[in-house]
Amino acid sequence: GAVVSQHPSWVICKSGTSVKIECRSLDFQATTMFWYRQFPKQSLMLMATSNEGSKATYEQGVEKDKFLINHASLTLSTLTVTSAHPEDSSFYICSARRGQSQTDTQYFGPGTRLTVL
Amino acid sequence: AQSVTQPDIHITVSEGASLELRCNYSYGATPYLFWYVQSPGQGLQLLLKYFSGDTLVQGIKGFEAEFKRSQSSFNLRKPSVHWSDAAEYFCAVGANGSSNTGKLIFGQGTTLQVKP
Repeated sequence: GAVVSQHPSWVICKSGTSVKIECRSLDFQATTMFWYRQFPKQSLMLMATSNEGSKATYEQGVEKDKFLINHASLTLSTLTVTSAHPEDSSFYICSARRGQSQTDTQYFGPGTRLTVL
Repeated sequence: AQSVTQPDIHITVSEGASLELRCNYSYGATPYLFWYVQSPGQGLQLLLKYFSGDTLVQGIKGFEAEFKRSQSSFNLRKPSVHWSDAAEYFCAVGANGSSNTGKLIFGQGTTLQVKP
């Protein structure tokens, strides 16, 4: 149990276009989902935290108008990279947490590789 | 500010040898500590976690980790490494407290290579 999927697994887009990435918890309801960004050979950097039905909380330095996060249901969160540019190329990873407690385990998706040409 | 340091970027061990991956954290209070493993094409998988209690924590796949408050460390160990253990390993700290949503701060990761 506790499987998180992401779609697409990779995407290539032209500069200036928008890209939507989906994160789904397949066998549990996720009250909280997290979005991370990972650069090659580097750590995961938290971008934002989203709770179902409310606005996402963005980390300092993350542009909320560029990285739109929607958590419309307990099993789906989406990240939309608007007007993507080459510097947005990265590996985007989501995680989902079943409960409200800080000690509840986060389950991670396999990631989405975004390449902006 | 909270931070996590994994001093070793890359480690190579022979199959069957023992393994220790280092992790040091910086946090004012008692942290929640995690070790995750990342394999290509797969999501990060939780190996083990420490919140309180016994400082020696047993995890999956034969891994264990020991919390040492005096050294601000949470090193991951395995007595005998298997070729399938080759992957990227991340140590993470989760800040506790009422104002925190449970977000994780990750170390830079350690790439483990296993020689036959």
